[in-house]
Amino acid sequence: GAGVSQSPSNKVTEKGKDVELRCDPISGHTALYWYRQSLGQGLEFLIYFQGNSAPDKSGLPSDRFSAERTGGSVSTLTIQRTQQEDSAVYLCASSYRDHKFFGPGTRLTVL
Amino acid sequence: AQTVTQSQPEMSVQEAETVTLSCTYDTSENNYYLFWYKQPPSRQMILVIRQEAYKQQNATENRFSVNFQKAAKSFSLKISDSQLGDTAMYFCALTGGTSYGKLTFGQGTILTVHP
Repeated sequence: GAGVSQSPSNKVTEKGKDVELRCDPISGHTALYWYRQSLGQGLEFLIYFQGNSAPDKSGLPSDRFSAERTGGSVSTLTIQRTQQEDSAVYLCASSYRDHKFFGPGTRLTVL
Repeated sequence: AQTVTQSQPEMSVQEAETVTLSCTYDTSENNYYLFWYKQPPSRQMILVIRQEAYKQQNATENRFSVNFQKAAKSFSLKISDSQLGDTAMYFCALTGGTSYGKLTFGQGTILTVHP
């Protein structure tokens, strides 16, 4: 079916507010990744879900960041008490075996 | 730790000509994979080409080919017969070993193809 989708496409929020970013992976893909792309930077790994295993959270920059994946499908990345340095594009990817497919990302702007 | 370095922040090329984007990397793993991704203004990351480190033969996908120099830890991308649609940010990426699945990206190279 369709590729990886993410919502919202753009999100503007005020410093201190919480935000939720959603990722719908390709059906049947067992692995799901979140990356962050700050202005002028490469992509930074955040978190990785593989099947029913415990997620690899080694890339989360602080305890304000969390993510869950419900039913092995949709994932939500939550950022609490947003800061201006959280402004970035958040990309989600899903994969089956070695091939990763990326979503279009959510551009988060924290004012 | 794995690192990927792209030393060319920006490159430009005339339509129909050939351009080479550079990438060097560092890893202690023996089994790893290297990738080039394209990110157009739409933000969608698109896989251009991949190379398994254990394969000596350089990967090729139509107009895109790589020069994989394992000893030098170099992985350059050659784009032949450049097209306007090739204009994008290009990222070199690496995964392998205990970090398998998680991609380590370079800083990216902005490629502009001029008519």
